[in-house]
This record gives sequence, C-alpha cells and structure tokens, in this order.
Amino acid sequence: QVQLQESGPGLVKPSETLSLTCAVSGYSISSGYYWGWIRQPPGKGLEWIGSINHSGSTYFNPSLKSRVTISVDTSKNQFSLKLSSVTAADTAVYYCARGPVSAKGYPGYFDYWGQGTLVTVSS
Amino acid sequence: EIVMTQSPATLSVSPGERATLSCRASQSVSANLAWYQQKPGQSPRLLIYGSSTRATGIPARFSGSGSGTEFTLTISSLQSEDFAVYYCQQYNNWPYTFGQGTKLEIK
Repeated sequence: QVQLQESGPGLVKPSETLSLTCAVSGYSISSGYYWGWIRQPPGKGLEWIGSINHSGSTYFNPSLKSRVTISVDTSKNQFSLKLSSVTAADTAVYYCARGPVSAKGYPGYFDYWGQGTLVTVSS
Repeated sequence: EIVMTQSPATLSVSPGERATLSCRASQSVSANLAWYQQKPGQSPRLLIYGSSTRATGIPARFSGSGSGTEFTLTISSLQSEDFAVYYCQQYNNWPYTFGQGTKLEIK
C-alpha cells in the first residue's frame, strides 16, 4: 500500500525558507508517477504548488515558481519542497501526494496523499 | 489561470437522499477533472478522475459526469460518512486549480 509522510519544522520565521520532506513507502519513486506538493491555508481551499517526476522534471504553479524548489532523492525514496522568503500568507497545511501521468505526459490528479503537516510562519 | 467555481457553497441533504454538486470551469478542461472528498482533520481522498471514472475502492453511489466547462458529482443515497467537503480539480491547463469546495452537511 502506498503511503506518504511529510516531515519538517512546524514553525518558520518570516523571510526564511520552509523545508519539507515527503517519505514514500509501498512504491518506488523510480518506477514512475509524478510526486507533488499541495497546500491548504487554515479554513480555506487547496492550492497546487508543484510536481516532480523520478527523472527530475518539474512543474510549478507560476504564482509560487520564483520561490519554490522541488527535488527528488530516489535512493531514499523521498522528495522535498523548499519555499523561500516566506510570509504569514504561506501558513498552511502542506500535503505531499502521488499523481498518475496524464495522457499528455504531464502531472494530473492525485491518487495518494500524505496526512499533511501544518507549517506556521511567525516570528 | 482557469477558475473553478463550485456550487452551492453549502448543501444540506438528509441521509438516504440524493446530492448533486456542481463544478464550472472558466474555460474548457475537456474531461480532465477530478473530485476529492475531505473530512475534518484529514487529507483529501480521490473519488473521481477523468470526469467520470471512480477511483479504486470508491462506492458506486458516487458518480461523476460532464465535459468542457460543466461537471457534476452525484451521490445517489447519502450515508452518514459522506458528509464532508468536496473539491473539484482541473488538470488540463497550468496551473492546475481547485474549486473552493462544497460543504455537504446533514439536514
């Protein structure tokens, strides 16, 4: 069974970099699929941050692209998110998720999700 | 950016009745539309992809339809565990976008 687990600091200071890792079990990242990050501010809706595949091809939300880095470590079967220059608006539950490759060869929907981790941006 | 608009924001339905949730895209997304269910304190759960294909393990009472800009999620006979927030997501154009959600509550 595919399982994803987010980890990282729950509190980040403004202007610093948010760093999260998603550990995958039950499936090898090297076998395919896209691996993505989605966030949800408290009491609000979902926002797609970006996705990466096993070879490192990445797709980002243009609204965040200048601040986002997503990387993959196939040897550890995990992938990571870095979001720089954070502000209070980046306070959210951050989810990692797996997504099948769409017919166009791009990321698509998400079929397995981690439980999410709350990251608060505050001094 | 494609804007996904869900209606209504809140839907009150009695157990055993049918619920119909709507999702409209600001431009065509073909059939590249997914539906998710989210319960309080939980991560979203994939229900439907490709507008109408149920994900693994999803009960047959959940069905999706539509293409282009108009989509519907129907729950044929509501069970107590179905009361939750439902989101649609388009994956036809960058950036992928979600609707704001419909809260399905017990009447």
